[in-house]
Order: sequence, then structure tokens, then C-alpha cells
Amino acid sequence: KQEVTQIPAALSVPEGENLVLNCSFTDSAIYNLQWFRQDPGKGLTSLLLIQSSQREQTSGRLNASLDKSSGRSTLYIAASQPGDSATYLCAVSPLYNFNKFYFGSGTKLNVKP
Amino acid sequence: GAVVSQHPSRVICKSGTSVKIECRSLDFQATTMFWYRQFPKQSLMLMATSNEGSKATYEQGVEKDKFLINHASLTLSTLTVTSAHPEDSSFYICSATSEIAGAVPSTDTQYFGPGTRLTVL
Repeated sequence: KQEVTQIPAALSVPEGENLVLNCSFTDSAIYNLQWFRQDPGKGLTSLLLIQSSQREQTSGRLNASLDKSSGRSTLYIAASQPGDSATYLCAVSPLYNFNKFYFGSGTKLNVKP
Repeated sequence: GAVVSQHPSRVICKSGTSVKIECRSLDFQATTMFWYRQFPKQSLMLMATSNEGSKATYEQGVEKDKFLINHASLTLSTLTVTSAHPEDSSFYICSATSEIAGAVPSTDTQYFGPGTRLTVL
């Protein structure tokens, strides 16, 4: 069974810093990997989706990379802002059922003004 | 596009009662809907997958007689927690996908609702 781990569980940084969130998964037979943002008591907002054949995706200040063979992904946030404070979740879809997501436990990010 | 809503956003009920949560795709036809549960400080755990007009597929360890799922139309799925107990208190989130060409920005992702906070006293 696929297991997804996110490190660190929590992170607090001053505004303006660049930061990296890590995600690892045990089964490399994935269809895609996705990063989500979750605000307290809210649903999920998709940030970036990386297909298994891709190495990275970028959107604004966010860059996600994927190394499928080693079972790792990183989410890089440049010039962090207080509005970036949220929990960031990564999720992988298995190759045999791309509609099924396995989620990590998330990294709770706090960006201090 | 691809907006998913849930109702209610918050519900408090007494132990032993049943609670129904609705998940709607507002601007697209959802061929598949998913129900997740999230306990405090934990990640989302998939409970079941439902396709319109057919029985839901439950994940291992999820009691199908306790968590009744109905997906009667392409825009509505309901989750009924029967005889709720305090240990069922959780955040329930639904998501939806569509395999209909052009219905959603991407057929490779799920679009999530805002969640329903259930508290069982």
C-alpha cells in the first residue's frame, strides 16, 4: 500500500524567506502527484499537478519537482508571504487507479510578518 | 469552473441520530465523487468512491452500513452517517471528477468541496 510522508510537520519562517517542503512516497508506480493547500477548516485548493513523466511544474512563486525513481517531491515557495500560511498536502495517484489519491499528513506553514 | 459545494458546512447532533451531508458539483457533471474523512491534525483518508447510478466502493475498514452513500445524479452525492457516535466526529470532505470531455479544466484531478464539520455529542 502506498504511504506518503511529509516533512517537516510544521514550519515557521519570517516573511520573505524561500522555503522547501518535502514529500516522499513508497511506491514509485504513480500516475501523478499533486500539491494542495488547505486553510483551517476549509477544503483543498490544488496548487500544482505533476504527471509521472514530468520533472517539475511552476506556478508563480511555487515550483514543484518530482523524482519518481527515488519517491520524492519538493514544493519550493519563493519569497514567502503571510498569506502563504496554511497546511500544504501532497497526494499521489497510483498508476492502476489514477482517480484514487493517497495523501500525506501535511506541513503546516506559518509565515510571520 | 469545477466548483463543488457541501451542505451543511457544520452540524452538531446527538449520539444515535443520523446525519446527511450533501456534495454538489455546481457547474459540471461529476462522473465520480469521493468522500474523505479528516481527523484533527491528520491527513485525508479516502472513505469511498461513488459513480453515478451505481453502488459506492468502500475502502477497507469503512463500514458501508454506517456510512451510506448515494450518488443519484451527476451533480449530487450524499453521505449519511447512521447512528452517529462521538468517534464519528470529524471533518468530511467530498471531491468530484469528470471524464466528460471539456467539463472540467483537468480530468486528471479531483475538485474538492469546502468540507463539513460533524460534531456528535
